[in-house]
Amino acid sequence: EAGVAQSPRYKIIEKRQSVAFWCNPISGHATLYWYQQILGQGPKLLIQFQNNGVVDDSQLPKDRFSAERLKGVDSTLKIQPAKLEDSAVYLCASSSMRASGGLEYNEQFFGPGTRLTVL
Amino acid sequence: AQSVSQHNHHVILSEAASLELGCNYSYGGTVNLFWYVQYPGQHLQLLLKYFSGDPLVKGIKGFEAEFIKSKFSFNLRKPSVQWSDTAEYFCAVNGGAGNMLTFGGGTRLMVKP
Repeated sequence: EAGVAQSPRYKIIEKRQSVAFWCNPISGHATLYWYQQILGQGPKLLIQFQNNGVVDDSQLPKDRFSAERLKGVDSTLKIQPAKLEDSAVYLCASSSMRASGGLEYNEQFFGPGTRLTVL
Repeated sequence: AQSVSQHNHHVILSEAASLELGCNYSYGGTVNLFWYVQYPGQHLQLLLKYFSGDPLVKGIKGFEAEFIKSKFSFNLRKPSVQWSDTAEYFCAVNGGAGNMLTFGGGTRLMVKP
């Protein structure tokens, strides 16, 4: 199956500019996640969608970050205006329920990420 | 809130050496535990997972991890590493409602040929 697609792969902007990232999840995956991974740290969840509804956006800096998944398929994450500390890799993941040994679990598949540099 | 600690930030080993990467988490309830790997230039990939049952789980490429509930640990092991195991390894926990993953800070492993 095709993996999670993200674009662009790299983006360089100046502070106070705006930027948008796009994600297309694996076909049929109802749940979509955006993570921020700052250099030297593990990924941190920004927002989780179930179909086109937000499940968790408690760690999304809502004064400058926004995300949408209008048709319940692909998603965009926007930063406006960007700050220096927003420099990071933005990862998109999608998941579906799987079964193993009689148990159901949710496995997340990650895209290649968008590396954002804010100057 | 749940948190994950990976104590080793950088590990350098020679080929055929044994590997153990530490992972401790804090969460009082039932957890699902994961190890992800990111090879240079590639996506994050699932290495192995624990949901219930046998606390010793086996993953791809000869990796295994042991869940020790009393120690809140889920250490990753491999008896004999290869140069191709050079990568960054992330421990993650999923506890409570929803499927939110909390990741540790990662351990960068370099295997010298």
